[in-house]
Amino acid sequence: EPEVTQTPSHQVTQMGQEVILRCVPISNHLYFYWYRQILGQKVEFLVSFYNNEISEKSEIFDDQFSVERPDGSNFTLKIRSTKLEDSAMYFCASSEQGGNQPQHFGDGTRLSIL
Amino acid sequence: SQQGEEDPQALSIQEGENATMNCSYKTSINNLQWYRQNSGRGLVHLILIRSNEREKHSGRLRVTLDTSKKSSSLLITASRAADTASYFCATLNNNNDMRFGAGTRLTVKP
Repeated sequence: EPEVTQTPSHQVTQMGQEVILRCVPISNHLYFYWYRQILGQKVEFLVSFYNNEISEKSEIFDDQFSVERPDGSNFTLKIRSTKLEDSAMYFCASSEQGGNQPQHFGDGTRLSIL
Repeated sequence: SQQGEEDPQALSIQEGENATMNCSYKTSINNLQWYRQNSGRGLVHLILIRSNEREKHSGRLRVTLDTSKKSSSLLITASRAADTASYFCATLNNNNDMRFGAGTRLTVKP
């Protein structure tokens, strides 16, 4: 069964550095998402992406964050000037269509900011 | 705003028993979804129920939705040790963004 893959599985970065988290969504899916889960807390929506542009974003997704689909397969989340509080699991998801379709999640990237 | 608050926060049962988890939400929704998360892994979609549906079944799972009370329940029948995981409800609103609750941690003892 096709699945969403995320790399790396664990990223350790110094505070203030930039990180890029990578995701390969399921190939025929059209909607892509990023979520964050701080240890022990709920999964939080960051952003959704469709047709090469952001369709929705949460209050968490400020100017520090950006997303890109640089080619036909990858979907990336860039975090500039990382802060300690950015430490979390970051999950990518994709769905065939938006709305009433289930989202398929990757196993996440654990981001640790030192 | 917070959406999808589950209760209980933690539930421990014996194998073979049924497990019921509840979810409440605050605003109008398009649909409500339940996901499972094993420790250190991503979320696995279990079931989606639309706002105009009241009940849905999938194998040992039964989900109900009461839009007048803004609540949903997930019932897992004849539980197994492998059902041990965290279970999250997520609501999709009319703006198409999905909000998760804090989850219920289910432990099924063999």
